[in-house]
Amino acid sequence: GAVVSQHPSRVICKSGTSVKIECRSLDFQATTMFWYRQFPKKSLMLMATSNEGSKATYEQGVEKDKFLINHASLTLSTLTVTSAHPEDSSFYICSALPTGGPIYEQYFGPGTRLTVT
Amino acid sequence: QKEVEQNSGPLSVPEGAIASLNCTYSDRGSQSFFWYRQYSGKSPELIMSIYSNGDKEDGRFTAQLNKASQYVSLLIRDSQPSDSATYLCAVTGTGGFKTIFGAGTRLFVKA
Repeated sequence: GAVVSQHPSRVICKSGTSVKIECRSLDFQATTMFWYRQFPKKSLMLMATSNEGSKATYEQGVEKDKFLINHASLTLSTLTVTSAHPEDSSFYICSALPTGGPIYEQYFGPGTRLTVT
Repeated sequence: QKEVEQNSGPLSVPEGAIASLNCTYSDRGSQSFFWYRQYSGKSPELIMSIYSNGDKEDGRFTAQLNKASQYVSLLIRDSQPSDSATYLCAVTGTGGFKTIFGAGTRLFVKA
């Protein structure tokens, strides 16, 4: 149980275009999902907390107009990187917090590697 | 600044030995503590969670927590080459779900 999927797993896009990444909890409901970014040999940095039916909470330094988050259902959150630039190239990982499950135990998706050329 | 600190390693141990990974955290109000394993190019996988002082064992893994010292550790017994990965310590503080990750310790288990 507790499987989280992400799509796509890899994406290459041109500078200035937008990319949407989906995060789905496959066998549980998740009121809260998290979006992280990880640069090579660095740790995970939380970008934003996504709550179903409400606006996402962004971490300091993360532009909410650039990284659009939508959490329209209890099993799906999306991250759209708008007007992508090469410096946005990174490994984007989502995680989901099972509703009513062990508190604070989040389950990670497999990640999406974004390359902006 | 709330931080989670780990030795980046690499930590190299022979197959069959005990690997000891350490982590300290700065937020004294932290409530939940986790160890994740991350293989290169993959996302983290939860190995252990611990919420109270003392030891918690699960198979070859033992997590140890000392809140007074703000210290959490992970012991891996009978280390296997497949345990070679980066181990991330993560801490969740009071008042919310936000989890802070350490930079990770790279472990190499030599066959």
